[in-house]
This record gives sequence, structure tokens and C-alpha cells, in this order.
Amino acid sequence: GAVVSQHPSWVICKSGTSVKIECRSLDFQATTMFWYRQFPKQSLMLMATSNEGSKATYEQGVEKDKFLINHASLTLSTLTVTSAHPEDSSFYICSVPDRGNYGYTFGSGTRLTVV
Amino acid sequence: QQQVKQSPQSLIVQKGGISIINCAYENTAFDYFPWYQQFPGKGPALLIAIRPDVSEKKEGRFTISFNKSAKQFSLHIMDSQPGDSATYFCAASINAGRRALTFGSGTRLQVQP
Repeated sequence: GAVVSQHPSWVICKSGTSVKIECRSLDFQATTMFWYRQFPKQSLMLMATSNEGSKATYEQGVEKDKFLINHASLTLSTLTVTSAHPEDSSFYICSVPDRGNYGYTFGSGTRLTVV
Repeated sequence: QQQVKQSPQSLIVQKGGISIINCAYENTAFDYFPWYQQFPGKGPALLIAIRPDVSEKKEGRFTISFNKSAKQFSLHIMDSQPGDSATYFCAASINAGRRALTFGSGTRLQVQP
């Protein structure tokens, strides 16, 4: 499968500030990446599909102005949580489709805590 | 997203026993069915996956059984070990790799020594 690097692994920020999370595909160029959010003891919920060179596609109920996604290169997608609030505290995980379009590899996740 | 229903929510198995987790789906367009294992604080890791043209796939102690007509698939973990204690998610996607995965609700497996 793909080799995916996600950073940071955890971050604590103050309410009202912004946080950027990076997802890198290390071994091949990914035109599409996916961002998920996972609350404690819950499943992964798709937030948005990141498309290289174009706007991200957001799932219903996900605020695109709050969760900014940038896929400026074929190896990097970023998720910026703007004006973070305690309710944004969650585990954010990116996913990259494996080469040949069979399967997906997930990043190690980012634990965001907003205080 | 189309729903994927997973059961049970939690499962306790004795070491050496068989763990069985079931999933059901609605969208017949799904064409890729993976199972993921997730440990606390980590991203999910692929265990095994199947496509709808086969009814069973086995990799080591892990087996997927797939019933296309019933729109159900299950994960069997043979000879369960304490190290298998984790949360397991079934998932499904359309045109695997081009569309995002839809996940089941997860099953917390505890294997007792």
C-alpha cells in the first residue's frame, strides 16, 4: 500500500486559534486524499475529499470555511481547523488511495485538543 | 454516504477462540469491502479486504466471508490472541480508491488470556 505520513500526531491549542494538519503521500502522487474525523469510541466519519489542484468536496454538515483543505501538490494535503473550539477536539485522520486504485492507506492520525 | 451496519458493538473472546464480526450493507454499487484494525490513538490499519466476485478470502488467521445476495460480509479471527484486542471496522466503497470508504460503527474486541 501507500506510505502516508501525517503530522503532527497530537496538538493542543487555545480556543479561537487555528491549527494545520499535514498529510503526505511519500511514495506516489495522489490526486485524491480523504479526511476523516473520529470522536472517542466512535467510527470514522468522512469530512471531505481533497482534490489536487481544485476545491475540496465537503460532506454534508461539514463547514468548509472552518475546515480548510488545501491540496496544492500531488503529495501533500493540509487540513486547517480555523477558530478552533473545544467541540472541534477530535482525532483527525487522512487517507490516501493505494496505487492502482485498490485499497487505502491511513495516516497515523492527529489528536487535536482545544482548550 | 450509504450506511454499513456492524455488529456486535463489543465482543469478549477467550484466547484461542474464534472472533466473529458481522456487517451488512445496502448499496449494491459497493465493490470493495475491507476490514480495518485500530488500536487506541492510532490510525486504522488494513487487515484484509474482499471484492464481490469471491465468497471467501483467507489471510493467516483472518477470513472474510462474503454473501452478495444477502448483502452481508463477516470477519472471522481464528485462534484469537490477546494482541488482537482492538477495535475492528468494516467498510465499503464504490470504485475502490476513487471514492471514500463508508465505515461501520466498529466492534471493540477483547481477547482474554
